[in-house]
Order: sequence, then structure tokens, then C-alpha cells
Amino acid sequence: SAVISQKPSRDICQRGTSLTIQCQVDSQVTMMFWYRQQPGQSLTLIATANQGSEATYESGFVIDKFPISRPNLTFSTLTVSNMSPEDSSIYLCSVEGLAGANEQFFGPGTRLTVL
Amino acid sequence: GQNIDQPTEMTATEGAIVQINCTYQTSGFNGLFWYQQHAGEAPTFLSYNVLDGLEEKGRFSSFLSRSKGYSYLLLKELQMKDSASYLCAVRAPYSGAGSYQLTFGKGTKLSVIP
Repeated sequence: SAVISQKPSRDICQRGTSLTIQCQVDSQVTMMFWYRQQPGQSLTLIATANQGSEATYESGFVIDKFPISRPNLTFSTLTVSNMSPEDSSIYLCSVEGLAGANEQFFGPGTRLTVL
Repeated sequence: GQNIDQPTEMTATEGAIVQINCTYQTSGFNGLFWYQQHAGEAPTFLSYNVLDGLEEKGRFSSFLSRSKGYSYLLLKELQMKDSASYLCAVRAPYSGAGSYQLTFGKGTKLSVIP
């Protein structure tokens, strides 16, 4: 498995502001993903972070709201823009493609509360 | 589209065996995953099935029937620490856009009681 870290681990933000979440992996990975897990719900894929090109967004998620960067094979950021209370959620990054593994490994998550 | 169903909650006794079912209807299939998630923590990988049959890993086993769109996770010799949510996830075929997408079920909250 990989060691995946996320910063910040939690934050409380004001409506209308933006927050950038960082995801760092200790080895190079092919695929990186960003998920959202709203309170009491399961995980929903926001987008696939593609290295060197624009992220691939799932239905219901747009780049203006959730801009994503992936400058290299070990790092990605997700920004939650112009936040509202509905954005309060846990945001998780995951990785796939470690040495023949099929599974996705998840970071510890970022717990976001928007007031 | 993707539709994944699993029971919302289950309760079982310490030392017993519990089976958590998952049924799916998806537009494509490239594997089924089970994850364990303790409250306030990230999901942890448990198992992966892409062919029909049973995969055993210690106290945990996972079964897949692709023709029936059905899987189950079997937990033996239950321990209190097994109290968690168990998430079933289906992976779509390679989309050509750089991803093998995982679609998650809503999760089954398992409570293990003494």
C-alpha cells in the first residue's frame, strides 16, 4: 500500500470563500481520484485527476466549482470554490496503480464545515 | 447507469458469522470491491473480485456472481472491532478518459454486540 496524506485534515470556512485541499502520495501512482462523502452517505466520485491534462469530471461536478491540479505523479489538489453550507462534507483523495494492485487506496480525508 | 444495493444496517453477535449482500445493475463491469470504513476514518480496502467465485482472506471472504449481479462479504469469528460500515463498489470498464471509475453503494453499517 501507499502512504497518502491530506492537508488540511479539517477546516471550518465561511460561506463564499474557497479552500484548497492537498493530497500527497509517497510513491508515483498512475491514477488519482477525488471523492466526496456527505454526512451519513457513501462516497461519490468528483473527478479523476489527470497528470499533465485537465481533470475528468463526473456528472454533477464542474471545473469552476472544483478546480483540480495534478502537476506530477505524487501530488494533486482539489479546490472547493465559493463555498456554501451544502459543501460541508468529507473530501477524500484516492490512488490506484501501485505495483500491479487493482485496488484504490484512500487518503485520511479532509472534513470541511461551511458556516 | 449504475445502481448498487446493500442493506442499510445489520447486527450480529461477537464470534458469529455475518454475510453482507450487494446487488448491482451497471452499464459495464470491471471488478467489485469491498471496503471497510470505521466512523470518522477513510475506507480501507478489503477485497477485489473480477471473476466468479469465492476469494478468501483470513476471516473475510468475498463472493461474486457476474451473471446474477451479486456479491457478498462474509465475516467469520466476528470481533467487536468489526463494527463499521462496509461499502460495496463496482468498477466500470476503462472509459478512455483516463479512469476506471468506482461507484459505491450506500454502505452497510454493521454493529457487533457481545
